Amino acid sequence: DSGVTQTPKHLITATGQRVTLRCSPRSGDLSVYWYQQSLDQGLQFLIQYYNGEERAKGNILERFSAQQFPDLHSELNLSSLELGDSALYFCASSVGIIGGRGLKSKNQETQYFGPGTRLLVL
Amino acid sequence: QQQVKQSPQSLIVQKGGISIINCAYENTAFDYFPWYQQFPGKGPALLIAIRPDVSEKKEGRFTISFNKSAKQFSLHIMDSQPGDSATYFCAARSSYGQNFVFGPGTRLSVLP
Repeated sequence: DSGVTQTPKHLITATGQRVTLRCSPRSGDLSVYWYQQSLDQGLQFLIQYYNGEERAKGNILERFSAQQFPDLHSELNLSSLELGDSALYFCASSVGIIGGRGLKSKNQETQYFGPGTRLLVL
Repeated sequence: QQQVKQSPQSLIVQKGGISIINCAYENTAFDYFPWYQQFPGKGPALLIAIRPDVSEKKEGRFTISFNKSAKQFSLHIMDSQPGDSATYFCAARSSYGQNFVFGPGTRLSVLP
């Protein structure tokens, strides 16, 4: 058990709908990452938050958005869902960033992954 | 330049054998190279990681070999066991970079 929790475990919805995936990081971790894993794309980084602020953006569609709340849990919102959005969505957490928040700040490397949310869009 | 290439796509090894998975990268700014193990229905779990200031790191039956000049690194699983059957992902990151880049994964099957 990584200490990262994700809900729901499974989600079935229809095209055009909107869903929210939730992630609670390990106790003490300030950084949260979201990943999408599909059969043909592998693990794709979507977005990272650090202590409530967006830190990095990857291959995240405009239809998707995320936020990290003051209690450090994070939500990933997927809207106008398409069939191709069906995938496993993982959240990971890490301690955070050392060396401050400027250009010289460094990401703590070790990420702990949650069990994932399996999304099926019909 | 952000890609990490991984091979083979799948690997079948007899129990007790050595499993070898290879990865290659292009971005010389990468300075942290973890390997993740993922069982079906579970999230990836960090297995072992290496920084480019060493050429090898060993933890139990798992060894990472790193060749900085060739920009390649590999995972060796010694005395492979059926319980090692999983998908393995290599990854890379720059400490000052924005995100991890993952390889496409290798599905390992260890036959009893």
